[in-house]
Amino acid sequence: QMQLVESGGGVVQPGKSLRLSCAASGFTFKTYPMHWVRQRPGKGLDWVSVISDDGGGQFYTDSMKGRLTISRDNSKNALYLQMNSLGLEDTAMYYCVTGDFRLWGQGTQVTVSS
Amino acid sequence: DVVMTQSPLSLPVTLGQPASISCRSSQSLVHSDGNTYLNWLQQRPGQSPRRLIYKVSKRDSGVPDRFSGSGSGTVFTLNISRVEAEDVGVYYCMRGTHWYTFGQGTKLEIK
Repeated sequence: QMQLVESGGGVVQPGKSLRLSCAASGFTFKTYPMHWVRQRPGKGLDWVSVISDDGGGQFYTDSMKGRLTISRDNSKNALYLQMNSLGLEDTAMYYCVTGDFRLWGQGTQVTVSS
Repeated sequence: DVVMTQSPLSLPVTLGQPASISCRSSQSLVHSDGNTYLNWLQQRPGQSPRRLIYKVSKRDSGVPDRFSGSGSGTVFTLNISRVEAEDVGVYYCMRGTHWYTFGQGTKLEIK
């Protein structure tokens, strides 16, 4: 069945970097734009970034622009999010989502703490 | 930037009774292709969000028909005809095209 599985989250110190991954299966990954969406503890959903189906186009939320790089490897059915200069405010659950928001992963928790 | 505003933010409902959530966007959500990309998501406690409704009123596969979406332009509504215990959670409206924006969420609980 269609599935997205995120990984790469963890506890990281402020100012450090983290790379999140998302493994897709059960659908034709290369035909879908893909998003990252985050949810801070006890808060709502925030769109973070999107990448086109061929990886040629990327967009980022203004609040994190300059610190993020979204990428994908269609040969591996994988989506990535490189996050740099992490701050306490980046503590959140990060979800990998298909372009139409139909399929969501279970999320990977990122905790920024000294 | 488009702002999505939901009301109410808290919705206590008696089992078997109807429920309604309103969502207003600060700009029309009608896309240049003629479609209106307004989604409704459900997030049950401890779970990932799940898309219920897309393009205003189209139900996703497996979504009970007690859920329905309506609206146009800037005003949209999610209706639940008869609330069941499994409907407890937070409901979000969202703009489904760039720039993607979510409403604040409406927490539905059983009274």
